[in-house]
Amino acid sequence: AQSVTQLDSQVPVFEEAPVELRCNYSSSVSVYLFWYVQYPNQGLQLLLKYLSGSTLVKGINGFEAEFNKSQTSFHLRKPSVHISDTAEYFCAVSRGEGFKTIFGAGTRLFVKA
Amino acid sequence: GAVVSQHPSWVICKSGTSVKIECRSLDFQATTMFWYRQFPKQSLMLMATSNEGSKATYEQGVEKDKFLINHASLTLSTLTVTSAHPEDSSFYICSAILRQRGTGELFFGEGSRLTVL
Repeated sequence: AQSVTQLDSQVPVFEEAPVELRCNYSSSVSVYLFWYVQYPNQGLQLLLKYLSGSTLVKGINGFEAEFNKSQTSFHLRKPSVHISDTAEYFCAVSRGEGFKTIFGAGTRLFVKA
Repeated sequence: GAVVSQHPSWVICKSGTSVKIECRSLDFQATTMFWYRQFPKQSLMLMATSNEGSKATYEQGVEKDKFLINHASLTLSTLTVTSAHPEDSSFYICSAILRQRGTGELFFGEGSRLTVL
């Protein structure tokens, strides 16, 4: 079985500062990794995904994530955040089509002016 | 591409009535759709997997007679909350998989906030 742990429930950060949202996963088989973002009262939107190949994945809105197989991590980073990045971020794993997606508990990023 | 639309975005109903929420894949065929429930400041809780042309698969603890799911076509799945009560108030989100992409990447609807008075 797979599981996803998001180590921080809330991350407050000042505008233009860098941020890292941490995600660790466990799985005995290969999985695909995702980060989704949810703005208030909206559905989720894909930020980025790791399927295979390069371990550094770039997504939308200036976010990137690095897949680390030895540490079973997939941390999300942004070098300079904006107020508009305030949202809930979910890390997720999937074995692929036909399997359920496992979500982390979410990390609330709060960007302060 | 791969747009999923949910309707309505907000719905308020009286206790005891039934409410239907629609989830449509606008530009692709979705053989599988998922319905989630999200409580405030919490993660998504998978309620059921909706498969086109067959019965939905419900997660443990989800009442199938309470939450009726119909996936009548490759672009439409509906969730009907029957005899709604205040405890059913929640944010309901649907998602779909792009057929044959194979990765399990999900495309989400905008969500529907249900308030039962």
